[in-house]
Amino acid sequence: EAEVAQSPRYKITEKSQAVAFWCDPISGHATLYWYRQILGQGPELLVQFQDESVVDDSQLPKDRFSAERLKGVDSTLKIQPAELGDSAMYLCASSFFQGNTEAFFGQGTRLTVV
Amino acid sequence: DQQVKQNSPSLSVQEGRISILNCDYTNSMFDYFLWYKKYPAEGPTFLISISSIKDKNEDGRFTVFLNKSAKHLSLHIVPSQPGDSAVYFCASGTSGSRLTFGEGTQLTVNP
Repeated sequence: EAEVAQSPRYKITEKSQAVAFWCDPISGHATLYWYRQILGQGPELLVQFQDESVVDDSQLPKDRFSAERLKGVDSTLKIQPAELGDSAMYLCASSFFQGNTEAFFGQGTRLTVV
Repeated sequence: DQQVKQNSPSLSVQEGRISILNCDYTNSMFDYFLWYKKYPAEGPTFLISISSIKDKNEDGRFTVFLNKSAKHLSLHIVPSQPGDSAVYFCASGTSGSRLTFGEGTQLTVNP
């Protein structure tokens, strides 16, 4: 069964360091999402791509976060510098169409900033 | 502004009984609603969805009900099984826009 692949599964980093997460969506899925889930809360969208283009990054803290999907396939989310409040689960998801179809999530990257 | 709210952080039911998880939304423009299930250390898994033109959608043991006038949806699981124990998120949105997730409800099904 096709899956959204994410790496690493877990990451511990010191504050002020840079950290990066990688996501490979399900083959053929044009839409890719990065979500952040803080413990006890629901996932919050950080950025949405349609192919290689950003269609929604209104909730992305652009002073420290960046995301790219250069060839419209896999994607990287970067945080520089990391802050203690960035500790969360970072989830990648993909869907075949943009809009309201169900998105398929990866297992996520658990980030701990110390 | 929490546009999607799940007011019960936890729910405990006996195996074989019905589980009812509730979700309220405030944005009357929302026209698509989904439920996801999440196990620890895994990403959310899509469960069932409903569009605003319907008031009920059923898939096996899972049924979602939508009450547009009350801006309320619920997920019914019948019969509940221990393997259903997980965090359940409702999510809502409009065509082409971002999904907004609720805070989640931890369901525990006791054998």
